[in-house]
Amino acid sequence: DVKVTQSSRYLVKRTGEKVFLECVQDMDHENMFWYRQDPGLGLRLIYFSYDVKMKEKGDIPEGYSVSREKKERFSLILESASTNQTSMYLCASSSPGYEQYFGPGTRLTVT
Amino acid sequence: QKEVEQNSGPLSVPEGAIASLNCTYSDRVSQSFFWYRQYSGKSPELIMSIYSNGDKEDGRFTAQLNKASQYVSLLIRDSQPSDSATYLCDVTAFTKAAGNKLTFGGGTRVLVKP
Repeated sequence: DVKVTQSSRYLVKRTGEKVFLECVQDMDHENMFWYRQDPGLGLRLIYFSYDVKMKEKGDIPEGYSVSREKKERFSLILESASTNQTSMYLCASSSPGYEQYFGPGTRLTVT
Repeated sequence: QKEVEQNSGPLSVPEGAIASLNCTYSDRVSQSFFWYRQYSGKSPELIMSIYSNGDKEDGRFTAQLNKASQYVSLLIRDSQPSDSATYLCDVTAFTKAAGNKLTFGGGTRVLVKP
């Protein structure tokens, strides 16, 4: 059974903290994605990766960075968390041109 | 103009009726089209994928693709209260030059009333 897991379901951090969100997939997918989802704004792409150590900016990369050292793992990093980064973060993976499989999401609150 | 447009809804349909959702896109290079369903507080899950013009049916769901007119639609027959969710249209293009380009619509919220 296809599986994408995320390191935390709920996370509370303070302003200015460095935050790591991790995503692992077990499907040997080339592509991995990080989205954030906010009410009324839909699903917005932060970064995606199409191969190990390769990454592309999405629509809203400011304030975020990513790391993909192994094919199965894709990390999202908030260098200095801010309150406007409070959101639901979704990770997904896919083979090129095929459907995405989503993780359960991490609800991040920055206070 | 957004690259992928959906009516945000809510689309209210009585139980047993047909729900019709539309999605238009602007990139003519687009090759893969997906419909996802997302329940409140949950992750999106795939309902349908369609890659070529025409209709594709799976149970109560039918996806319709018209590349010339640049739209893809989803029909839900015999709508049930459990179909109440937000439906996301995903349009993906992959070329060696463009790399992997993908865009989600804003989603259409569907409410099925008993």
